[in-house]
Amino acid sequence: GAVVSQHPSRVICKSGTSVKIECRSLDFQATTMFWYRQFPKQSLMLMATSNEGSKATYEQGVEKDKFLINHASLTLSTLTVTSAHPEDSSFYICSASTVTVSYNEQFFGPGTRLTVL
Amino acid sequence: DQQVKQNSPSLSVQEGRISILNCDYTNSMFDYFLWYKKYPAEGPTFLISISSIKDKNEDGRFTVFLNKSAKHLSLHIVPSQPGDSAVYFCAAASIYNQGGKLIFGQGTELSVKP
Repeated sequence: GAVVSQHPSRVICKSGTSVKIECRSLDFQATTMFWYRQFPKQSLMLMATSNEGSKATYEQGVEKDKFLINHASLTLSTLTVTSAHPEDSSFYICSASTVTVSYNEQFFGPGTRLTVL
Repeated sequence: DQQVKQNSPSLSVQEGRISILNCDYTNSMFDYFLWYKKYPAEGPTFLISISSIKDKNEDGRFTVFLNKSAKHLSLHIVPSQPGDSAVYFCAAASIYNQGGKLIFGQGTELSVKP
């Protein structure tokens, strides 16, 4: 099956710093990538949808200036958490899709655990 | 507003028995439903899906049932194995909603005891 990787798998940073998380589709070209966050014992919440070469579409309540998403190529999307604060500590997961409207073809990465001190 | 709900946060089943995980939804525009399995500190893994034009889909030990009138779906695992112990998420999507983005339930933690 299609493989999606995320880097880093775990990051600890100080409050006020910025953290970049990479999501890569290793063996297919991802026209669409999705970014989710998950708090303990809670659902995966979609943060934004990004299509290669265009601006990301953010879900209601997600600050686009705080969570910067770049989808520069068909195999790489990045999420940058700017000026991170302890409340941003969470598990961030990306998924990649081969076509823009085929929801049954989303493949998930292993996730990134962000801890902000 | 939680459009997809899994009201049981946990379920414990004996090995060899049937596991039944339930999921309810409120949006009648959803036309595709998926079940994912997730281990701690890992991303979800796709298990099985069902289109709204069907009421049942089977894949090995996993069967998903869809009751559109009740806006309810369930995942049956028979027979349950200890390796099935994980968190199971149901998700729903609509072709009419932003290219089929997934809306997830809260998850049900399944524990299969030997």
